[in-house]
Amino acid sequence: LAKTTQPISMDSYEGQEVNITCSHNNIATNDYITWYQQFPSQGPRFIIQGYKTKVTNEVASLFIPADRKSSTLSLPRVSLSDTAVYYCLVGDDRNTPLVFGKGTRLSVIA
Amino acid sequence: NAGVTQTPKFRILKIGQSMTLQCTQDMNHNYMYWYRQDPGMGLKLIYYSVGAGITDKGEVPNGYNVSRSTTEDFPLRLELAAPSQTSVYFCASSHPRDRGRGYTFGSGTRLTVV
Repeated sequence: LAKTTQPISMDSYEGQEVNITCSHNNIATNDYITWYQQFPSQGPRFIIQGYKTKVTNEVASLFIPADRKSSTLSLPRVSLSDTAVYYCLVGDDRNTPLVFGKGTRLSVIA
Repeated sequence: NAGVTQTPKFRILKIGQSMTLQCTQDMNHNYMYWYRQDPGMGLKLIYYSVGAGITDKGEVPNGYNVSRSTTEDFPLRLELAAPSQTSVYFCASSHPRDRGRGYTFGSGTRLTVV
């Protein structure tokens, strides 16, 4: 399984765009990149998944360069309610269970 | 549509006691998972199942057992509770064809072993 490296914590002010980068140098051909969000005392919630280039949904955008060795989760105009831990996972989740790291703790400040 | 339901939400066990954490999903998902999360840490995979009658070990299976007799249910059994098993336990499910939807997690069971 490809190992991921992401910042332990980040701070942002309300209304700013937040970009969280994840490194995954050993990503395999069949691996997808998936991001989850976890609020205190809740289970993780799926945010977005991509294989290459750019993926956008109503919550976030995911940018993946051509070499796929890193990815960036972009949260537009964050609010206080976006304060959470964000996990970057790499794997083929249809065949192998995903392995969670420690994630990035995002704190949004008013 | 309830999603993934876990019971109980909270439990305190004495050392050496046993209990079963229940997990049920109503989305007809083939795949189910049990994770544990210690304070300030990420989730660690305990066991998983790709369908009824099939289970496999994850990263930290010692001290736990599972069974999968139906598609809907995936109970986790602790036989001899130890303080090291104090944690929050999350059950999740997914379907191999649901690419792009990820795992659906339950709300967790907070277990304390004293």
